[in-house]
Amino acid sequence: EVLLTQSPVTLSLSPGDRATLSCRASRSDRFYVAWYQQKKPGQAPRLLIYDTSIRAAGIPGRFSGSQSGSDFTLTISGLEPEDFAVYYCQQSGAFGGGTQVEIK
Amino acid sequence: EVQLLESGGGLVRPGESLRVSCAASGFTFRYYWMTWVRQAPGKGLEWVASINLDGSEKYFADSVKGRFTISRDNAKNLVDLQMNSLRVEDTAVYFCARVDSSGQEDSFDIWGQGAKVTVSS
Repeated sequence: EVLLTQSPVTLSLSPGDRATLSCRASRSDRFYVAWYQQKKPGQAPRLLIYDTSIRAAGIPGRFSGSQSGSDFTLTISGLEPEDFAVYYCQQSGAFGGGTQVEIK
Repeated sequence: EVQLLESGGGLVRPGESLRVSCAASGFTFRYYWMTWVRQAPGKGLEWVASINLDGSEKYFADSVKGRFTISRDNAKNLVDLQMNSLRVEDTAVYFCARVDSSGQEDSFDIWGQGAKVTVSS
């Protein structure tokens, strides 16, 4: 069973800032994650990135994903007001605990 | 428009059963695995169950194994989650989602709006 640890739990930033979200996988033999955005609890999540670095349809270019070993990163370059939300990584069905990006 | 619409949520007592359904439209339903994900109040996302194209393979999270079943009707474009022996900790919003298997690893590319299930005495 894979365990995904996201950090930080909360990220306080201003519009226009760069956001760097991390996701560490417990298994080093899996090479891909997906990232989701959820704007409000109970609201449907939206797929942002799949296969670690491929943007889903309609996702703006300011969202990017990368990997180094079992560490995966979601970067938002230039936060827009609509980007303040909770972000989850996922691998083999399992989800990380989430990172909330809040307005500073 | 590609869409998933859940129905059937509600309030039940511990030990009771409930079925939530998900109606798909706008895509060829029989070509996709389907999955259920839940979110308890104040908590993160938790994968619950998945079903393959013809319903012959089903997978469940340990937390619901033996109590929940998943099924699909490809003629009606429906996927159901039957929840038995419900517990207070099953209280959550239940989302159905489409599984995109076109990449190196599966992702959930289309989500429904969610069905709220409350288990309380």
